[in-house]
Amino acid sequence: GDQVEQSPSALSLHEGTGSALRCNFTTTMRAVQWFQQNSRGSLINLFYLASGTKENGRLKSTFNSKESYSTLHIRDAQLEDSGTYFCAAENTEGADRLTFGKGTQLIIQP
Amino acid sequence: SVLLYQKPNRDICQSGTSLKIQCVADSQVVSMFWYQQFQEQSLMLMATANEGSEATYESGFTKDKFPISRPNLTFSTLTVNNARPGDSSIYFCSSTTNTEVFFGKGTRLTVV
Repeated sequence: GDQVEQSPSALSLHEGTGSALRCNFTTTMRAVQWFQQNSRGSLINLFYLASGTKENGRLKSTFNSKESYSTLHIRDAQLEDSGTYFCAAENTEGADRLTFGKGTQLIIQP
Repeated sequence: SVLLYQKPNRDICQSGTSLKIQCVADSQVVSMFWYQQFQEQSLMLMATANEGSEATYESGFTKDKFPISRPNLTFSTLTVNNARPGDSSIYFCSSTTNTEVFFGKGTRLTVV
């Protein structure tokens, strides 16, 4: 089965609101990354976490290896936050190879 | 960080032809990878490009269909042989530092 289970698959938010995306892992992961894929298809690195929590502007991400999940919180959503968000994880045998979640399609509405 | 430059950005090719995608890193990198992404789907790892030796392919990908070269630590190519409409997708090259994975901007391939 899938090693990385991402939810929700789609999310619609009004500007100024916030929400959280989540990835659950079915095997032990040593690190997780979050990406935003923009309308042109390019991947933007948002966070790399081996543990704990990182914050950058309106985004905050947490990785709990012991409980096998990671979250990405978005607050005060803006129109430019629209896109598809992916988590991707390295397992303990990973050798830098990533397993991606299926993505969350985020739409920000005025 | 590592910057990866892919070209072409996009291409349209006829069924049965071959297309080569190039990836250049702005510094020497140990690991380079190629990913495939179908529309509205996740990225799938195709292969690890090994410097000076054959690539290591994941299940479902073969060297005959997707030959990969890695002549040095900054450069790799992915070729799509005998392209079919089912190969239409975005292809990404990727590399790592000790802590993060970086991606090129992708090559959007349409096979008609």
